Amino acid sequence: KAGVTQTPRYLIKTRGQQVTLSCSPISGHRSVSWYQQTPGQGLQFLFEYFSETQRNKGNFPGRFSGRQFSNSRSEMNVSTLELGDSALYLCASSLVEDANTGELFFGEGSRLTVL
Amino acid sequence: AQKITQTQPGMFVQEKEAVTLDCTYDTSDQSYGLFWYKQPSSGEMIFLIYQGSYDEQNATEGRYSLNFQKARKSANLVISASQLGDSAMYFCAMRERGYGGSQGNLIFGKGTKLSVKP
Repeated sequence: KAGVTQTPRYLIKTRGQQVTLSCSPISGHRSVSWYQQTPGQGLQFLFEYFSETQRNKGNFPGRFSGRQFSNSRSEMNVSTLELGDSALYLCASSLVEDANTGELFFGEGSRLTVL
Repeated sequence: AQKITQTQPGMFVQEKEAVTLDCTYDTSDQSYGLFWYKQPSSGEMIFLIYQGSYDEQNATEGRYSLNFQKARKSANLVISASQLGDSAMYFCAMRERGYGGSQGNLIFGKGTKLSVKP
């Protein structure tokens, strides 16, 4: 079956702009999480969505937001981009039933460069 | 304080030999899960192995095994018979108990870059 699909894979923006990233989870997966990966901070949790509701949120400013649609697809948005937002943004999906094993299936990520 | 510590920024191993990647963790929860992920240069995070805090036996998945020492709070990954394709970043992660219906997010270590030499 198809894996987690993230679009776009690469994008370049300038400071002050906003960006929307998309994630399509594996078919049947209802939980979607987002992570930011930078060389300095490593992998950090952004938020988790389940059934269109945000269930958990990491320690990021309000410029970072997300949503989930009824088909479980998720988008995250970053407004008023800063240079430090340059990162690989990873989306992961999982079956709720796998909560204890915790197997998250990750996409290949969207690499954002802010100039 | 760091919750997940990976003390080896980089490791080299000869092809076909075994290698151990270190991971220590810090939590006050009794229920938690420990994971290892592999990240090749393409960027995708690939799940390797899972160990639950109540599991008494070490987890194994093919050439991967997790050396779980609960009292020492360590969860080292052992890769046997290394292959060239094993060259990648390896991340140790922990999931603590979630609240309010959440699964609890993964907390990652800084990673270890493994290079397999032919």
